[in-house]
Amino acid sequence: VQLVESGGGLVQPGKSLKLSCSASGFTFSSYGMHWIRQAPGKGLDWVAYISSSSGTVYADAVKGRFTISRDNAKNTLYLQLNSLKSEDTAIYYCARSFFHYPGYWGQGVMVTVSS
Amino acid sequence: DIQMTQSPASLSASLGETVTIECLASEDIYSNLAWYQQKPGKSPQLLIYYANSLNDGVPSRFSGSGSGTQYSLKINSLQSEDVSIYFCQQNYDSPPTFGGGTKLELK
Repeated sequence: VQLVESGGGLVQPGKSLKLSCSASGFTFSSYGMHWIRQAPGKGLDWVAYISSSSGTVYADAVKGRFTISRDNAKNTLYLQLNSLKSEDTAIYYCARSFFHYPGYWGQGVMVTVSS
Repeated sequence: DIQMTQSPASLSASLGETVTIECLASEDIYSNLAWYQQKPGKSPQLLIYYANSLNDGVPSRFSGSGSGTQYSLKINSLQSEDVSIYFCQQNYDSPPTFGGGTKLELK
């Protein structure tokens, strides 16, 4: 299982960013996927989940601003981040489900929201 | 949301010692609990799932136990490579929630 996130960077408050997570080593379409974030020096904060059938669930803190999606043909998971706030600054990890737990994690991508 | 409270927040132990980390849920989570290890500068790795099932490749010195609202992670014969932050996570109810973490250091 290999998961590689990309798309992070420095963005101004109120702007948008789209993260990608390229998956390999497993049948991507068969698994639910998570996004989890970690603010610098802080704990883990679950963000969103998409099932193998593309059902979605979001944390209240990001509902209406973030959108999780997947492209099974490209073996890629996405997270669209809109109306970004300073408190969204974090390392964003994608993770493959293992018995519904985030079982396999990528290396993470940094998102910094600052003017 | 279900609140997960970990204790202690930090822990210092000697090589070869046995350490225990506790996780308390704000309501019954029916053993839907995982433990993760995060080494410095790395992404978290799943150690234990369903409270007491050891993930493949995880050394047998790690074990999980508990039920209801109280869970624990035990590390027997502490090794230098176990220096990490450990997180618990409940998966019983949405949203999944994590404990605040326990930082384990060597004495």
